[in-house]
Amino acid sequence: QKEVEQNSGPLSVPEGAIASLNCTYSDRGSQSFFWYRQYSGKSPELIMFIYSNGDKEDGRFTAQLNKASQYVSLLIRDSQPSDSATYLCAAPTPTGGFKTIFGAGTRLFVKA
Amino acid sequence: AAGVIQSPRHLIKEKRETATLKCYPIPRHDTVYWYQQGPGQDPQFLISFYEKMQSDKGSIPDRFSAQQFSDYHSELNMSSLELGDSALYFCASSLAAGGEGNGYTFGSGTRLTVV
Repeated sequence: QKEVEQNSGPLSVPEGAIASLNCTYSDRGSQSFFWYRQYSGKSPELIMFIYSNGDKEDGRFTAQLNKASQYVSLLIRDSQPSDSATYLCAAPTPTGGFKTIFGAGTRLFVKA
Repeated sequence: AAGVIQSPRHLIKEKRETATLKCYPIPRHDTVYWYQQGPGQDPQFLISFYEKMQSDKGSIPDRFSAQQFSDYHSELNMSSLELGDSALYFCASSLAAGGEGNGYTFGSGTRLTVV
């Protein structure tokens, strides 16, 4: 089992809909989580950080964390074609080391 | 604002040759990371440096080595290149302190093609 797991997709949603991206993690010691967006052939870009249970909103993005269920999600409201990208869930290694573990990413397509 | 600078952007090498990738982190960031990303794959951690000392090692082949210099730039040296080394190589930097500062800023990457 990978430490951070995501459904690889692709996930296809119509423009204006809510896109829901999910991530589970195996190590209960993980305390914080990041979401990165990666356009094809480009480097990942940090878009959200969450460490508390519950929701965190930033513009059209909402990150949700449920530590009891070891589940992190990213909601994108009013999805736009420009949101079409791969979304990577990531967690710093809980053992205090200097690396972040990435999920395999979910490919999102927003249809105009 | 200054970003993470990587060079070169593209590199074509033949099998068994060597390659050197360079990374200049964001000023004041104390940690540098190297990742390898194959087509359609998630970034795989290679190695990291904290304050110029190697801090973590991942799935980095013995043919690869890396170091961080006094000016905080880092170099990834790759020898005896194999076709399977063809990938995007990303450098990222961050603050080692926990929390949101742990978020990475990635460079644009070096696309290495081994022929």
